[in-house]
Amino acid sequence: DAGITQSPRHKVTETGTPVTLRCHQTENHRYMYWYRQDPGHGLRLIHYSYGVKDTDKGEVSDGYSVSRSKTEDFLLTLESATSSQTSVYFCAISESLADTQYFGPGTRLTVL
Amino acid sequence: AQTVTQSQPEMSVQEAETVTLSCTYDTSENNYYLFWYKQPPSRQMILVIRQEAYKQQNATENRFSVNFQKAAKSFSLKISDSQLGDTAMYFCAFMRPPGSQGNLIFGKGTKLSVKP
Repeated sequence: DAGITQSPRHKVTETGTPVTLRCHQTENHRYMYWYRQDPGHGLRLIHYSYGVKDTDKGEVSDGYSVSRSKTEDFLLTLESATSSQTSVYFCAISESLADTQYFGPGTRLTVL
Repeated sequence: AQTVTQSQPEMSVQEAETVTLSCTYDTSENNYYLFWYKQPPSRQMILVIRQEAYKQQNATENRFSVNFQKAAKSFSLKISDSQLGDTAMYFCAFMRPPGSQGNLIFGKGTKLSVKP
């Protein structure tokens, strides 16, 4: 299995509070992704990174920001969490855009 | 925009039997990649199989095989000799070719139950 960890694995927070999720990889892959999974929607891309300090938006990026200061870490931040951001968040990595994406274990976030 | 459709929200199969999960997609691209991922109750997303659109030969991985029909834009997954551990959500996914925004477009999934 690819060496991908996510922290925390579960989080409950209140509306309006900031939340940061962390994805850490030990594979030295260039590309990292954040997805959210909601019932009836499959997985949808939030943001992705193609290198240190290089990021781009996905299809559901509103309300989220990301940062990548090191190859191994990709952070997802909800500046002011809303109930619509209650979801399961997955990080994924790949060596290139043509390569298979491998997923972390996911973080379940509940915003009350 | 590319879309992926899985028309079977739920399916069940008896242990040791064969089951086929359907997936269709819509794209104007000629080169792309297709995937099946499995998500068991543990929630982990696990790669099952990958197919490159330029390859005519259908991909196989042990008991898992695909029927890739490029003209029909169809990509079904066949699971032979079903096992209880195959119980999971199965997601079909489409990936644009390199040079495009690098992301997977997922279908909504098919929940497969393998019954003893």
